[in-house]
Amino acid sequence: DAGVIQSPRHEVTEMGQEVTLRCKPISGHNSLFWYRQTMMRGLELLIYFNNNVPIDDSGMPEDRFSAKMPNASFSTLKIQPSEPRDSAVYFCASGRGYEQYFGPGTRLTVT
Amino acid sequence: AQSVAQPEDQVNVAEGNPLTVKCTYSVSGNPYLFWYVQYPNRGLQFLLKYITGDNLVKGSYGFEAEFNKSQTSFHLKKPSALVSDSALYFCVPGSARQLTFGSGTQLTVLP
Repeated sequence: DAGVIQSPRHEVTEMGQEVTLRCKPISGHNSLFWYRQTMMRGLELLIYFNNNVPIDDSGMPEDRFSAKMPNASFSTLKIQPSEPRDSAVYFCASGRGYEQYFGPGTRLTVT
Repeated sequence: AQSVAQPEDQVNVAEGNPLTVKCTYSVSGNPYLFWYVQYPNRGLQFLLKYITGDNLVKGSYGFEAEFNKSQTSFHLKKPSALVSDSALYFCVPGSARQLTFGSGTQLTVLP
C-alpha cells in the first residue's frame, strides 16, 4: 500500500485566496483525520470522519475552514479566504481501530 | 478524561547507550496509550500502543514501553540508541476515535 497520500506537498498562496488540500486515505481504513501543526500550537486535531461522516469538527478554527469526504477514498480541507496565520503543516491521517497512519503533510504558506 | 505528561522537552543520549523517554498518565478508567514518532520534515509514525494485556509492549524499530499502573507511567525505551532515532516523540492518550497530542520530547542521539 502507498500509505496516506496528500497533495500538494507544498502550497504558497497570497492572503485572501482559496486553498484546497487533498488526502487519499489507506484503502480499508474507515476513519480519517485532519491535523494542523505549528511551532506555537503543536499538533491540533481539526476534524475527523468515520465512515465518511464528520464526527467531530470542534477543532476547526473558524468558518473559513471546511472539510469534506465525498467517498471512502478522498477528502479535502478547504480554507477560504486564507490568512497568513493559517500557515502551517497540515496532516491527514487514516485509521482502522486504534492506530492512525499519517501522510507526509502539506506545508502551507500564506503571504 | 485522559491526559499525559512528558516531563522532558529534550533528551540527549550517546549512540549505543540505552534511551528512555518518559511519560506519565492520568486517566479515569482503562488507559489507552500510544507512542508516535516524528522524524524531521516528515509525518508522524505509529510506534506502539497499550490497550490491554501484557504490560511490556514491543513496537517498531526496536522500541518498547512498559505500562506501570502503580507509577502511572508508560516510558519508551530502547536498549541501544542510533543516531537515526533522533526525532520528536509523542506519548498520546486516546481511543479508536481520537488522539490528543502534546508537545512531545525531542530526542537527540549524539554520535
